[in-house]
Amino acid sequence: KQEVTQIPAALSVPEGENLVLNCSFTDSAIYNLQWFRQDPGKGLTSLLLIQSSQREQTSGRLNASLDKSSGRSTLYIAASQPGDSATYLCAVGGGSYDKVIFGPGTSLSVIP
Amino acid sequence: DAGITQSPRHKVTETGTPVTLRCHQTENHRYMYWYRQDPGHGLRLIHYSYGVKDTDKGEVSDGYSVSRSKTEDFLLTLESATSSQTSVYFCAIRGTSGGPEQYFGPGTRLTVT
Repeated sequence: KQEVTQIPAALSVPEGENLVLNCSFTDSAIYNLQWFRQDPGKGLTSLLLIQSSQREQTSGRLNASLDKSSGRSTLYIAASQPGDSATYLCAVGGGSYDKVIFGPGTSLSVIP
Repeated sequence: DAGITQSPRHKVTETGTPVTLRCHQTENHRYMYWYRQDPGHGLRLIHYSYGVKDTDKGEVSDGYSVSRSKTEDFLLTLESATSSQTSVYFCAIRGTSGGPEQYFGPGTRLTVT
């Protein structure tokens, strides 16, 4: 059974710092991995999706990497801003109909 | 914006009553999903649909049923609500361009008293 973990559970950084969020999964037979952002009381916003054949994806200040063999993905946020404060979740897609397994999330706080 | 709406957005109901949550999408997506989100458990899949009248169970389907009679609507029903079903429920669709990305609705906060 696929299990997804995220470390750290919470992170507080000063504005402007570069940071890395980690996602680990137990079964490397995945189809894709998706990173989401969730603001308090809101739904999930898709940030990046990496297909199993890809190593990384970039969008603006965000860069996500995928290492299937080691069961890891990282989300790199450059030059963090207070508006980046949110919970970040990774989700691993595999099997039929793209059912995904979510990690518990990392709560990020960027201090002005 | 993947054109997903959920209704109601908030609901308080009593134990033992039936409850139906609605997910509506405007872009003719084939795949739709219902999740619940709880502290300490994260997001868990309840049921999903891969077409009109084609549905299947997720990891936490007990106590829930679904129906999809039209492409645009995916209904989640709690036949007899229990306090353990107090949660935030999210609907999602797959792929605005046929790809695997999932896009989520705004959520429904359900409280069972």
